[in-house]
Amino acid sequence: DAKTTQPNSMESNEEEPVHLPCNHSTISGTDYIHWYRQLPSQGPEYVIHGLTSNVNNRMASLAIAEDRKSSTLILHRATLRDAAVYYCILRPGGTASKLTFGTGTRLQVTL
Amino acid sequence: GAVVSQHPSRVICKSGTSVKIECRSLDFQATTMFWYRQFPKQSLMLMATSNEGSKATYEQGVEKDKFLINHASLTLSTLTVTSAHPEDSSFYICSARVPGKRREAFFGQGTRLTVV
Repeated sequence: DAKTTQPNSMESNEEEPVHLPCNHSTISGTDYIHWYRQLPSQGPEYVIHGLTSNVNNRMASLAIAEDRKSSTLILHRATLRDAAVYYCILRPGGTASKLTFGTGTRLQVTL
Repeated sequence: GAVVSQHPSRVICKSGTSVKIECRSLDFQATTMFWYRQFPKQSLMLMATSNEGSKATYEQGVEKDKFLINHASLTLSTLTVTSAHPEDSSFYICSARVPGKRREAFFGQGTRLTVV
């Protein structure tokens, strides 16, 4: 599986935007870029995914570099409830393909 | 969104006993489910892929005779930790995908296993 690299931790002030980077230089053409987050003592939660184009949903935006070797998860206004570990994962295009988690980025949000 | 439910959320068992964890897809059918294990301050590690009606596929280094997986229906997969020992204490999480075009995975809330 292609690997992703994320910073171990980031901090943000509440109500400010947060940009969480992810490098995936060995991504293949059929890999989808997925983002999940895990709040303390809970299972992961889907955030967003994309293939080539930027994506927006109610939770976040995903900006994908033109060469697809990196991406950025954007939380437009961080809240205390967004404090979590954010995982960037490459998922092969197969329908039953598994998710391989890296170390993720621990996001701290402060008042 | 689709819901995946795990039971129990917490369990404490004595060393040497077996523990069964259930993973249910509540509003969809899942031919494939995944089991993960997570130790404190670490990431999720995939243990096995559970396939409805057939044998599970285990990741390298995971003992299939110790972690028994049964996926007898399209909405239920179970993980049984046999002869549990303190080093098996961990956070166990299952996930499933909705068949079809939706690509996201849905996760259970996790089961905290403590072996004493």
